Amino acid sequence: AQSVAQPEDQVNVAEGNPLTVKCTYSVSGNPYLFWYVQYPNRGLQFLLKYITGDNLVKGSYGFEAEFNKSQTSFHLKKPSALVSDSALYFCAVRDLTGGFKTIFGAGTRLFVKA
Amino acid sequence: ETGVTQSPTHLIKTRGQQVTLRCSSQSGHNTVSWYQQALGQGPQFIFQYYREEENGRGNFPPRFSGLQFPNYSSELNVNALELDDSALYLCASSDGTGRVQETQYFGPGTRLLVL
Repeated sequence: AQSVAQPEDQVNVAEGNPLTVKCTYSVSGNPYLFWYVQYPNRGLQFLLKYITGDNLVKGSYGFEAEFNKSQTSFHLKKPSALVSDSALYFCAVRDLTGGFKTIFGAGTRLFVKA
Repeated sequence: ETGVTQSPTHLIKTRGQQVTLRCSSQSGHNTVSWYQQALGQGPQFIFQYYREEENGRGNFPPRFSGLQFPNYSSELNVNALELDDSALYLCASSDGTGRVQETQYFGPGTRLLVL
């Protein structure tokens, strides 16, 4: 079965420092991976996706993610964190069995301190 | 281009009642998916509609049902509400072309509280 794991419930980083939010996946076949962000009392906003091609994917708001097939990881990164990046981040994988549903991780809460 | 909208924003029901949640897709999108997000968890897939037909379902009982209309708007109906149905219900639309790589765009959600 397809699944994603986000090993950290929370990540703390100082403003201006680089940030990484970790994600590992388990799929049969090619992985189709996504990152979403959720602000309080809001729906999910799409950040970026990996379908094929370059392992470094660039997305919205200066975020990028690195696809690593050998480590089955898709970590979200940003070179310089902003206080406004504080939010809940979800990694997700597209499940191609029985409809095109998306399976989400449990989420990682990012706190950026000024 | 308008985004995905959902109504109502909040809802309070009692156990055993029925509820209908509504979603308007982003312009040009013919596929709608519904997710349930319990407090502190990631969204869980309920089902997906493509051109008015259900084409995928998650592990939810039959009392969760849906509809998609010719204009691609959608409804989620939940019968015989249980306390555990309290959650944020998210609707997502996508353009239905090249399904593998299509991006889902989410609405703000409807927060349902069952007492």
